[in-house]
Amino acid sequence: GNSVTQMEGPVTLSEEAFLTINCTYTATGYPSLFWYVQYPGEGLQLLLKATKADDKGSNKGFEATYRKETTSFHLEKGSVQVSDSAVYFCALRSTGNQFYFGTGTSLTVIP
Amino acid sequence: KAGVTQTPRYLIKTRGQQVTLSCSPISGHRSVSWYQQTPGQGLQFLFEYFSETQRNKGNFPGRFSGRQFSNSRSEMNVSTLELGDSALYLCASSSPFRGDNEQFFGPGTRLTVL
Repeated sequence: GNSVTQMEGPVTLSEEAFLTINCTYTATGYPSLFWYVQYPGEGLQLLLKATKADDKGSNKGFEATYRKETTSFHLEKGSVQVSDSAVYFCALRSTGNQFYFGTGTSLTVIP
Repeated sequence: KAGVTQTPRYLIKTRGQQVTLSCSPISGHRSVSWYQQTPGQGLQFLFEYFSETQRNKGNFPGRFSGRQFSNSRSEMNVSTLELGDSALYLCASSSPFRGDNEQFFGPGTRLTVL
């Protein structure tokens, strides 16, 4: 079946620290992979996506590479800011067009 | 282009009551999905509607139901509310005409069951 496993939180970092949030997936076929972000009191927003193996999605300094050999899509940012504090969700869209989400990782960045 | 809208934003109900939530997708989007978000369970898929037909369904009891209208607007109904139904209910829409596209989420309806 299809599923997404992401790093447990919460994660607390100092401003300008390096961020990695791990995400691995199980899927049949060739899914598309996504990272969504949820700011307090809001719905989810797409952060970045990758549609095939070795694709790199990037946005706002965040990056993630679709690694088929390790079934991973880890989220990284070289220097986090206080404004990056949010909950991050890894997700996949299966070949059957259904979305599967991870449980979310809460990130707090302190000045 | 207007985003996904959900009404109401907040609801307070008591056990045993029923509730109906509404979602208006982005114009032109024909697929609408519903999710339940709770602190303990994360984001759980309820169901997806496409062109007025339920296309996918998650693992929720029959008290949770939905429908989609010809204008793609969707409603979700929960009957015989339980305390555990307190959650943020998110609606998301997507276009079927772009390959491998993302879902666009609304702000959610916060349901509290007392």
